[in-house]
Amino acid sequence: EVQLVETGGGLIQPGGSLRLSCAASGFSVSSKDMTWVRQAPGKGLEWVSIIYTSATTYYADSVKGRFTTSRDNSKNTLYLQMSSLTAEDTAVYYCARVCISVCSYAFDMWGQGTMVTVSS
Amino acid sequence: EIVLTQSPATLSLSPGERATLSCRTSQSVSSYFAWYQQKSGQAPRLLIYDTSNRATGIPARFSGSGYGTDFTLTISNLEPEDFAVYYCQQRSTWPRYSFGQGTKLEIK
Repeated sequence: EVQLVETGGGLIQPGGSLRLSCAASGFSVSSKDMTWVRQAPGKGLEWVSIIYTSATTYYADSVKGRFTTSRDNSKNTLYLQMSSLTAEDTAVYYCARVCISVCSYAFDMWGQGTMVTVSS
Repeated sequence: EIVLTQSPATLSLSPGERATLSCRTSQSVSSYFAWYQQKSGQAPRLLIYDTSNRATGIPARFSGSGYGTDFTLTISNLEPEDFAVYYCQQRSTWPRYSFGQGTKLEIK
């Protein structure tokens, strides 16, 4: 079955760090561009980052310098390392697959999301 | 930064009716424009890509159109499972993406 499963969310104090994982099955993360999108409680979707098959990464201005996206091809897993967290980072974090050739860089598969709560 | 503004914020319709959801961008964008559906407690699902192409498995009652700064998602003959929140997305400012704030389609 082709799917994405995020883990690693939880309650973290302001200023802390957390690493989210996104395990893929049914395809290789190394062969696809992958992205992170977050959704604050009751709010809309916010694009966070993207990692290309070349391993080049880009970030939203709101997280640049604090978040790092990487992948482990041997584990077929995508990661989001988050640091210097603030209350504004509280959200459900989704990983998604970028569909390039067939659907012009839209996000065609999403994980179920993992909740990150930044609070003291 | 390109801002996407969706309207209306909430749309109240009955099953069987036609829904028209709009998304306006602050600058002209390419056809790299998509629509997503999100049901309560679920992840978003891709509906439309490249402005007007339905994603795999999406029923024909969903259609997209538009160009430049004005884009539309139309859902004809609403089914009970269509009531959800819908988001537009653009990729024109590669490599970054942005989303609209969402339109909630609710049962009247």
